[in-house]
Amino acid sequence: ELKVEQNPLFLSMQEGKNYTIYCNYSTTSDRLYWYRQDPGKSLESLFVLLSNGAVKQEGRLMASLDTKARLSTLHITAAVHDLSATYFCAVDSYSGAGSYQLTFGKGTKLSVIP
Amino acid sequence: DSGVTQTPKHLITATGQRVTLRCSPRSGDLSVYWYQQSLDQGLQFLIHYYNGEERAKGNILERFSAQQFPDLHSELNLSSLELGDSALYFCASSVLTETEAFFGQGTRLTVV
Repeated sequence: ELKVEQNPLFLSMQEGKNYTIYCNYSTTSDRLYWYRQDPGKSLESLFVLLSNGAVKQEGRLMASLDTKARLSTLHITAAVHDLSATYFCAVDSYSGAGSYQLTFGKGTKLSVIP
Repeated sequence: DSGVTQTPKHLITATGQRVTLRCSPRSGDLSVYWYQQSLDQGLQFLIHYYNGEERAKGNILERFSAQQFPDLHSELNLSSLELGDSALYFCASSVLTETEAFFGQGTRLTVV
């Protein structure tokens, strides 16, 4: 059974600081996703990482994937209040009969304080 | 806006009742997925349909069922509701089974 572990689960950081969220997964996967969720809202896709060594950046967020270590990171640079949200990593895995399903981590609740 | 439409947005019902959640996928998407998000279980995959056919089941209770209709919209039926079924239910759709899925706004179900 695929397990996805995120840490930390809670993160309070000051504006302007840098930090990294880690996502470990237990079995080989085809794709890894990072999502953002604001309270009570939908899941907004941030990054899709498809191959070993993949690195993607959007604004103050950068995601990377190491498939050998089964590790992805989401790095936050010079945090601003607008980044406060819960961030999920999710791993896509084949579940048979031509079906893929996402297994999510528990999420990292990020609070950026002035 | 992902293009995936879920109705209703909010639903309050009593224990023992039955409800139906509806999902309209993005235009052209053949795959529909249902996920449940609860405080204690987190985000869990429930079921996947592709072009009207069930393809995979996850942690879906026997009291729950789903179907995908010829026009590709999907419904998730929840029966004999319990307090613990209170959650946010998401539908997601994708073009094919192996392509990225996009999530709807969710239906917030509260069982009282």
